[in-house]
Amino acid sequence: AQSVTQPDIHITVSEGASLELRCNYSYGATPYLFWYVQSPGQGLQLLLKYFSGDTLVQGIKGFEAEFKRSQSSFNLRKPSVHWSDAAEYFCAVGAPRPDKLIFGTGTRLQVFP
Amino acid sequence: GAVVSQHPSRVICKSGTSVKIECRSLDFQATTMFWYRQFPKQSLMLMATSNEGSKATYEQGVEKDKFLINHASLTLSTLTVTSAHPEDSSFYICSAPLAGYNEQFFGPGTRLTVL
Repeated sequence: AQSVTQPDIHITVSEGASLELRCNYSYGATPYLFWYVQSPGQGLQLLLKYFSGDTLVQGIKGFEAEFKRSQSSFNLRKPSVHWSDAAEYFCAVGAPRPDKLIFGTGTRLQVFP
Repeated sequence: GAVVSQHPSRVICKSGTSVKIECRSLDFQATTMFWYRQFPKQSLMLMATSNEGSKATYEQGVEKDKFLINHASLTLSTLTVTSAHPEDSSFYICSAPLAGYNEQFFGPGTRLTVL
């Protein structure tokens, strides 16, 4: 069965520091991959997605993610974190279709000034 | 474009009552919508797929008689939690895919509290 793992439950960084959130998936083929952000009590906003092609994808708010087939990973990165980035981040896999999503458990990002 | 709304945003009800949550695609049509529930500090779990004009498809372990789904039109799906109990308290989120975009657009969620 398909699954998504986000190993880091909670990450704390200082404002201006770089960020990497990890995501690993289990699926027999290349799935559709997504990163979402959720602010407290809010719905989800799509940061970026990967379907095929260039394995480094750019998203909104300065985020990027890299698909590594050999590692079954799709890690999210940002070179310089802003205090407004504090939120919950979810990696999701669409398998076999992009509209049926399996979510990871999420990583809560805390940003210190 | 591609906005999904939910109503109400918050609802508190007594145990044993039923609660209806609406999910609307405001500027596009959606033959399919998805319902998720999210417990505090946990991930989203897909409950069911709502299909316009036909029965909903429920995920394993979700009671279809308890969580009634009706997809009455191409822009509206409703989730009714029947005979709600405190353990049904959760954050319910709907989403709808936009044709040609290969992604879903999520509603802002509905916080249900059952006393």
